[in-house]
Amino acid sequence: EAQVTQNPRYLITVTGKKLTVTCSQNMNHEYMSWYRQDPGLGLRQIYYSMNVEVTDKGDVPEGYKVSRKEKRNFPLILESPSPNQTSLYFCASRRAGGETQYFGPGTRLLVL
Amino acid sequence: QKEVEQNSGPLSVPEGAIASLNCTYSDRGSQSFFWYRQYSGKSPELIMSIYSNGDKEDGRFTAQLNKASQYVSLLIRDSQPSDSATYLCAVDNQAGTALIFGKGTTLSVSS
Repeated sequence: EAQVTQNPRYLITVTGKKLTVTCSQNMNHEYMSWYRQDPGLGLRQIYYSMNVEVTDKGDVPEGYKVSRKEKRNFPLILESPSPNQTSLYFCASRRAGGETQYFGPGTRLLVL
Repeated sequence: QKEVEQNSGPLSVPEGAIASLNCTYSDRGSQSFFWYRQYSGKSPELIMSIYSNGDKEDGRFTAQLNKASQYVSLLIRDSQPSDSATYLCAVDNQAGTALIFGKGTTLSVSS
């Protein structure tokens, strides 16, 4: 089954404790993105990757890091989480030139 | 800052009615336009894409695009309670590296 997976689905952590949210897709897609979704602000892109070792900032990259060492994986790293990073995070992927962006199930993060 | 604007709603329609959802965008260079549906607590799901001026129909859904007016709409005919969700309008940036999303319109279909 074609899918984008994210782990964990739910996470409660404390300020300053480094965490990683994993994202993996099995569709051999070139493009992958991370979004955060907040009430009243909608979906905003954090980082994107056009292929292995090619990443770039989206609209709200501050406080986040990403890497793309393998085509299927695109982890999101919060080196020192803060309460304003409490949000619902989505990973997404699509084929280069493809119209359909597939979203993962989401990770709900609470930073205390 | 490129923007996509939608009325937040809620838009309430009775079962069987036509629901009309609207979206405007700021970047005249945008070429690709999408409507996503998002149920509460779930991830967005693509329901329509449109690239040319005019109408595009798929089942009960019709997307309309007017690039001169920078306007995209989605019509849902014969609305069903299962259509109750938030509908997100999204526009591709010219580089094709990002989708710019509107904040979404919440649709409620009452039986």
